[in-house]
Amino acid sequence: DAKTTQPTSMDCAEGRAANLPCNHSTISGNEYVYWYRQIHSQGPQYIIHGLKNNETNEMASLIITEDRKSSTLILPHATLRDTAVYYCIVRGGGGSNYKLTFGKGTLLTVNP
Amino acid sequence: GAVVSQHPSWVICKSGTSVKIECRSLDFQATTMFWYRQFPKQSLMLMATSNEGSKATYEQGVEKDKFLINHASLTLSTLTVTSAHPEDSSFYICSAGNFGRNTEAFFGQGTRLTVV
Repeated sequence: DAKTTQPTSMDCAEGRAANLPCNHSTISGNEYVYWYRQIHSQGPQYIIHGLKNNETNEMASLIITEDRKSSTLILPHATLRDTAVYYCIVRGGGGSNYKLTFGKGTLLTVNP
Repeated sequence: GAVVSQHPSWVICKSGTSVKIECRSLDFQATTMFWYRQFPKQSLMLMATSNEGSKATYEQGVEKDKFLINHASLTLSTLTVTSAHPEDSSFYICSAGNFGRNTEAFFGQGTRLTVV
């Protein structure tokens, strides 16, 4: 699976949009971009995933560049409960490639 | 999202004893389950992958005789830490997915194991 690069930490003001970047320049054509987050001492929570089109759900939006070498997770109105480590993971779409390999992620701190 | 439940949430055991952790998919059938370990201030490290009815595939460096994994049904997988030692103290997390239907994996809430 392709490696991802994320900033170590970010801050965001409560109520503002949080934009979390991820670089995955070695992504291959059949690999998806997944985002999970982990609130302290809990299991990771699935947020969103995409292949090449932008995606939106009730939690967030995922913007993938046209060349697919980077993406941005957008939390439109961050709350204090969004403080967590956010993981961007690139993963194959089938066969034995369903496992998720976690990097260090980005610690997002939402400030009041 | 789908619900994955782990039990217990935390456990304290004596050195040399064995501990079993259960992972259940509550509202879907999990064709594949994963077990992770997370040490303080570190990321999740995949230990093994198990498919229902098959032997688990362990990641390099993970002792299969120490971390016994059973995935006997489509809703239950267990991880048994045998002859636990203080260095096995960690946060153990399971993940489950039905990859014949979709591609997301869902995680349990984790089990904090402390070996004294």
